[in-house]
Amino acid sequence: ETGVTQTPRHLVMGMTNKKSLKCEQHLGHNAMYWYKQSAKKPLELMFVYNFKEQTENNSVPSRFSPECPNSSHLFLHLHTLQPEDSALYLCASSQVPGAGGYTFGSGTRLTVV
Amino acid sequence: EDQVTQSPEALRLQEGESSSLNCSYTVSGLRGLFWYRQDPGKGPEFLFTLYSAGEEKEKERLKATLTKKESFLHITAPKPEDSATYLCAVHDSNTGNQFYFGTGTSLTVIP
Repeated sequence: ETGVTQTPRHLVMGMTNKKSLKCEQHLGHNAMYWYKQSAKKPLELMFVYNFKEQTENNSVPSRFSPECPNSSHLFLHLHTLQPEDSALYLCASSQVPGAGGYTFGSGTRLTVV
Repeated sequence: EDQVTQSPEALRLQEGESSSLNCSYTVSGLRGLFWYRQDPGKGPEFLFTLYSAGEEKEKERLKATLTKKESFLHITAPKPEDSATYLCAVHDSNTGNQFYFGTGTSLTVIP
């Protein structure tokens, strides 16, 4: 499979749950990103990984914990989330950071109840 | 202050009715301006990159142009399948690898 694949597509979790989002890319890209998309707001950059190393953490609360075991896989571990964390979480990749047009996955629609 | 502002927020067009979407930006070190298309329930799909004022890019019914302060996405004779949200993003060299996205224009093309 080519492109950027995100699983699950939809997730409903309680505030005390722990869950993980998964992202996989088969494009040979070296940079991967997590973005949060909320209604009526611009995409918010959360984390950047370059060659598996985290290069940016955009003041994201510690209840979001990223993991990048290799340059093809990216995870976002979630725990004790708040209802305001409900959003579309998008994974993206590019050849290198700042290279230009990203390739995005279809996202995980997260609802915190 | 918002670095990227898109207008209008929503646009309804009759099929065949040409129009333009606007993306204005305030960053001082523009390294690139990007247009994306986003369909409901999907991630953004990359359309164009523009690097310098005067540059133009075309793809089917879409043409993107760039000036020193704004970009336009011109849609010529749109079809219903062009209905989507169009996002603009800028890469600012003064803030490392930061990309700033706009909130998008939701385009609906009515048959």
